[in-house]
Amino acid sequence: SYVLTQPPSVSVAPGQTARITCGGSNIGRKSVHWYQQKPGQAPVLVVYDDSDRPSGIPERFSGSNSGNTATLTISRVEAGDEADYYCQVWDSSSDHVVFGGGTKLTVL
Amino acid sequence: EVQLVESGGGLVKPGGSLRVSCAASGFTFSNYTMNWVRQAPGKGLEWVSCISSSSSYIYYADSVKGRFTISRDNAKNSLYLQMNSLRAEDTAVYYCARDGSGWELRYWGQGTLVTVSS
Repeated sequence: SYVLTQPPSVSVAPGQTARITCGGSNIGRKSVHWYQQKPGQAPVLVVYDDSDRPSGIPERFSGSNSGNTATLTISRVEAGDEADYYCQVWDSSSDHVVFGGGTKLTVL
Repeated sequence: EVQLVESGGGLVKPGGSLRVSCAASGFTFSNYTMNWVRQAPGKGLEWVSCISSSSSYIYYADSVKGRFTISRDNAKNSLYLQMNSLRAEDTAVYYCARDGSGWELRYWGQGTLVTVSS
């Protein structure tokens, strides 16, 4: 089955740029989606189809995908961005939705 | 406004059964694929199952295949998950989620907690 690998944690100072990676075999050939989840809340879609943003999501959130790595980039990080972030793809070979293990973003 | 409201969670003994439901509103329910995603306490997201708009295709995670059954009633704007032979490791918050233009899960409910314990 397809595996997505994320770093368990990323730390960044306010105002700096956070980059969260999602590794998978030839992930560049798939559409990658990213979710933000704050404690006690449901996940929220922040980037879909590699780099598109749903309405209401700040432009500070962006995404890219190439080769074996997809990246969620959060510019000008704010305290309110502190959350768990998950990447997700559809694996057509197994007909499964696949999530990465999640990355905890800490704002120092 | 899209709303997804789960219900039916609770405490059940190992080996028991439970059905959770998701009531949808604010969109044409019969046009969209729906999913169940769960999250064990302190753990990450785990996809459970999905069902297409007309129930023509249904997929399950390996961890629940043969024990869980997803279904929907488009006339009632409702999604269901019948869970049988429950195990302690099925303890989780169960979310229903609607897809978007592709396989992204664009809208999520607030979840319902299922606890499997003796």
